[in-house]
Amino acid sequence: AQSVTQLDSHVSVSEGTPVLLRCNYSSSYSPSLFWYVQHPNKGLQLLLKYTSAATLVKGINGFEAEFKKSETSFHLTKPSAHMSDAAEYFCVVSDPSGTYKYIFGTGTRLKVLA
Amino acid sequence: GAVVSQHPSWVICKSGTSVKIECRSLDFQATTMFWYRQFPKQSLMLMATSNEGSKATYEQGVEKDKFLINHASLTLSTLTVTSAHPEDSSFYICSADGRAAVNTEAFFGQGTRLTVV
Repeated sequence: AQSVTQLDSHVSVSEGTPVLLRCNYSSSYSPSLFWYVQHPNKGLQLLLKYTSAATLVKGINGFEAEFKKSETSFHLTKPSAHMSDAAEYFCVVSDPSGTYKYIFGTGTRLKVLA
Repeated sequence: GAVVSQHPSWVICKSGTSVKIECRSLDFQATTMFWYRQFPKQSLMLMATSNEGSKATYEQGVEKDKFLINHASLTLSTLTVTSAHPEDSSFYICSADGRAAVNTEAFFGQGTRLTVV
């Protein structure tokens, strides 16, 4: 069965410092992996996706993630945090059945300190 | 392109009444749509898979008679919460299979915040 584990429920960083949000996945197949962001009382916004092409994936707003099969990880990074990055982040794996049924991680709340 | 519109964005209803939420793919056809529920400060949990022209497939623990799903056309799926109770208060969000839009992802609606009083 597919699953994702977000290792930190909360992360706090100072503005201008790097961001690291950790995600490990479990999959019997070559997975499709995504990172979504959700601002308070808002819907979901896709940050980036991995679908078996390049292992280093660049997304919007300066975020990127690296797919590491040997470590079954798909960590999200950003070189310099901005106040507007404060939000909930979800790591997601797509069900291998061929549909776009998603399995969400438990989420990481990012706090950015001034 | 590839826009999914969900309506309403928020709704307040009285306990015992029914509420219908619509999910529309505006510029592509979606044979498959998905409904998720998110309780406060929690993650999103898949409720059901909505298939155009056939019955929805519900996840374990989701009451199909309480959460009625209809996918009568290739661009519209509806979720009806019947006889709503306060414990049904949640954020409901739909997504549509993006393959018809030649894309490798699902597209999400804006979500509906349901409050049952």
